[in-house]
Amino acid sequence: EVHLVESGGGLVQPGGSLRLSCVASGFTFSNYAMYWVRQAPGKSPEYISGINNNGSATFYANSVKGRFTISRDNSKDTLYLQLGSLRPVDLAVYYCARGWFRWGQGALVTVSS
Amino acid sequence: DVVLTQSPLSLPVTLGQPASISCRSSQSLVYSDGNTYLNWFQQRPGQPPRRLIHKVSDRDSGVPDRFSGSGSGTDFTLKISRVEAEDVGVYYCMQGTHWRFTFGQGTKLEIK
Repeated sequence: EVHLVESGGGLVQPGGSLRLSCVASGFTFSNYAMYWVRQAPGKSPEYISGINNNGSATFYANSVKGRFTISRDNSKDTLYLQLGSLRPVDLAVYYCARGWFRWGQGALVTVSS
Repeated sequence: DVVLTQSPLSLPVTLGQPASISCRSSQSLVYSDGNTYLNWFQQRPGQPPRRLIHKVSDRDSGVPDRFSGSGSGTDFTLKISRVEAEDVGVYYCMQGTHWRFTFGQGTKLEIK
């Protein structure tokens, strides 16, 4: 069975950094592109970043470009999102997803002083 | 960016009655390969979004057949033939045709 488990969320001060991880199981991770989607409280989901199966191509939404970095380690079946220069508006649940059918349960990131 | 506009934003429905949600796109969602990458999601409180429908009308595995999708070009519809209590939640359309992928603003379905 396919599982995606995010970790690394928490409370961080404005301007701070955080690294999210998403451990995959139940499928051949290296065969799939992966995505990060975030959802602020009471808002629609927002697709913020994607990476192809071997990590050679990445995508960022304008809202996070230059501040967030997506990467993957296929030997560890793990997807990462490095969050930097965090702002209060980055407060959200961050989900990793395979395609649009498989989603993790999400990791909450709170940005506050 | 492609803007998806859903209506209504709030949908009170009596149990057993049908429900319909509209999603209109600011651009055609037909991709160069001929497919239309329009998805529908259901989100229950505290849960991640769950995809119900992909490519306009293809139901995902495990999705009850009371859910159906239709439409073409820029106009799409999600229909529930007979609403059940477990259908309460927020429904989103999402397009995967144009970078960057975008979601509609959501329709909250509640039981009247």
